[in-house]
Amino acid sequence: QQQVKQSPQSLIVQKGGISIINCAYENTAFDYFPWYQQFPGKGPALLIAIRPDVSEKKEGRFTISFNKSAKQFSLHIMDSQPGDSATYFCAASMRSGNTPLVFGKGTRLSVIA
Amino acid sequence: GAVVSQHPSRVICKSGTSVKIECRSLDFQATTMFWYRQFPKQSLMLMATSNEGSKATYEQGVEKDKFLINHASLTLSTLTVTSAHPEDSSFYICSARDRDRLGTGELFFGEGSRLTVL
Repeated sequence: QQQVKQSPQSLIVQKGGISIINCAYENTAFDYFPWYQQFPGKGPALLIAIRPDVSEKKEGRFTISFNKSAKQFSLHIMDSQPGDSATYFCAASMRSGNTPLVFGKGTRLSVIA
Repeated sequence: GAVVSQHPSRVICKSGTSVKIECRSLDFQATTMFWYRQFPKQSLMLMATSNEGSKATYEQGVEKDKFLINHASLTLSTLTVTSAHPEDSSFYICSARDRDRLGTGELFFGEGSRLTVL
């Protein structure tokens, strides 16, 4: 059973465009939703995260939109740059109980000039 | 802050040998560390949860005798792949939460260890 579903699997965006990656979760107990960026051969790095008490969070060019009723959240990368080319993972967990993150399957983003 | 260090970053070994991977939280204490495994072009799959001073909890399908986990202190967890075989070749990544910030949910990852078994 896949608890976090991520789409698309891959994405090609022109430089300066907007990259949008979507995730849906099943467990309503989840209350922490981070996005990680991973470059080849490296560990995932925390990009931005959101809690269900807000509908949007923005940090620089990165924005998370959260829809609690639909159990969906998405990552928007504004003004996408070639340096943003990486694999992006959404994840979810419960903040209480020190539980592990459950990851989506990842999205390979390629930003072309 | 919140740096997790993994060592070695790459290791190549012969089939049948054992390999130890260390995971350290450098600037915080972690009562719990998580070990993930990642195959090429795939997502991170949780292998086990490591608790300081107690036995690790393994996910279904993960052989506890093959993947020995020891969490000896609040800053160190080790994963030993025993009698490694080519199918154990993978990218192993550890992660940890700052015990003083458990309620945030933040999880910090190491840089990963690439294991290649010949």
